Amino acid sequence: AQTVTQSQPEMSVQEAETVTLSCTYDTSESDYYLFWYKQPPSRQMILVIRQEAYKQQNATENRFSVNFQKAAKSFSLKISDSQLGDAAMYFCAYRRDPLGNAGNMLTFGGGTRLMVKP
Amino acid sequence: DGGITQSPKYLFRKEGQNVTLSCEQNLNHDAMYWYRQDPGQGLRLIYYSQIVNDFQKGDIAEGYSVSREKKESFPLTVTSAQKNPTAFYLCASSFSGTSGSRLAKNIQYFGAGTRLSVL
Repeated sequence: AQTVTQSQPEMSVQEAETVTLSCTYDTSESDYYLFWYKQPPSRQMILVIRQEAYKQQNATENRFSVNFQKAAKSFSLKISDSQLGDAAMYFCAYRRDPLGNAGNMLTFGGGTRLMVKP
Repeated sequence: DGGITQSPKYLFRKEGQNVTLSCEQNLNHDAMYWYRQDPGQGLRLIYYSQIVNDFQKGDIAEGYSVSREKKESFPLTVTSAQKNPTAFYLCASSFSGTSGSRLAKNIQYFGAGTRLSVL
């Protein structure tokens, strides 16, 4: 079974600085997707960024980027120029079956609470 | 506006009572999912459905039941057999199978959640 581990229960960062959240996963598959979701105090899950395992290039979405190390099964999230609105729980997630035919679910890590200091 | 609507936002259950959480989507997604989130933890899959009239158990299905009579709707019933139902419940949906692009099939969109508490 796939597992996703986030080893940092809490992180803090000064506003405007950069922070990196860690995620490792365990799988025997070669083709899969990885995601970072943000959950603010409203509890709404918001997709931040995604990475396709067959792509070597790291995904980037504005201030958010990932460092995807497939051999090491590592998928960290870097937030640049941190803003107060970035404060939230961040969840790393893994999905097998990229063709979506077998209905495989997302497997989530335990989350990292990010605090942003003004 | 397209999206996923969960209701109610807060729900209270008496001992021995079954309660039903609603999830409706107008995104034309084939697949729908129910997750449970306990305080300070990640999400765990309860049930999922790839198509109308079909659904599969997830990792923690015991004490829960679902139905999928319409593409847009995937209600979750928390039965009296679920001894620890207090949690935050999230519904999600996505494309699957032959519909949508490869990327679209793999992105799940979430509702705002329902918080269930026991009286």
